[in-house]
Amino acid sequence: QSALTQPASVSGSPGQSITISCTGTSSDVGGYNYVSWYQQHPGKAPKLMIYEVSNRPSGVPDRFSGSKSGNTASLTISGLQAEDEADYYCSSYTSSSTYVVFGGGTKLTVL
Amino acid sequence: QVQLVQSGAEVKKPGSSVKVSCKASGGTFSSYTISWVRQAPGQGLEWMGRIIPILGIANYAQKFQGRVTITADKSTSTAYMELSSLRSEDTAVYYCAREGRMYYFDYWGQGTLVTVSS
Repeated sequence: QSALTQPASVSGSPGQSITISCTGTSSDVGGYNYVSWYQQHPGKAPKLMIYEVSNRPSGVPDRFSGSKSGNTASLTISGLQAEDEADYYCSSYTSSSTYVVFGGGTKLTVL
Repeated sequence: QVQLVQSGAEVKKPGSSVKVSCKASGGTFSSYTISWVRQAPGQGLEWMGRIIPILGIANYAQKFQGRVTITADKSTSTAYMELSSLRSEDTAVYYCAREGRMYYFDYWGQGTLVTVSS
């Protein structure tokens, strides 16, 4: 069981927007602004999409955005494109000895 | 541009050890923090531990304490992850990743598949 809770799957049509949630506790998501999001295509390494809740690395389209409210962080993808179909993982710093915890991952299907 | 290149796939017997390497290029290796993250087949990501090469200090997830050793060789810009007492549940892809400013991973290796099977 992963430390952070994500929905197993979400789906949307091209052009639509979707949001993936990531729920933790006050010891991780709720207590620190150190939430990051990763995109992973099959057989590939994860790719950083959002860091420190809402910052986008250079090269990541502005269709990807992040936010946080209380113990839940969210990744929103607007203007869905076929290439967005992938697994998405959230991650957070944690005050426990684990240091960094991940969510279980969400499979995004573009219909 | 930082690049992390890992060693090749391994097949190991239960009870043995495996050592995976991660060679960095670009940037200043000593100033990085390198973490190791694993992913079992069809499963999510799991942080194992990290090392700060300039300090030679490593931290480990409690789950792996006593079984994992992470080291770094500054002269070759290479980090290593050794996992001992392997069991079938350790079958996974092992990634090294560079830590960005605060608790996120901005560059990843290509992954190394470790298969534990008798």
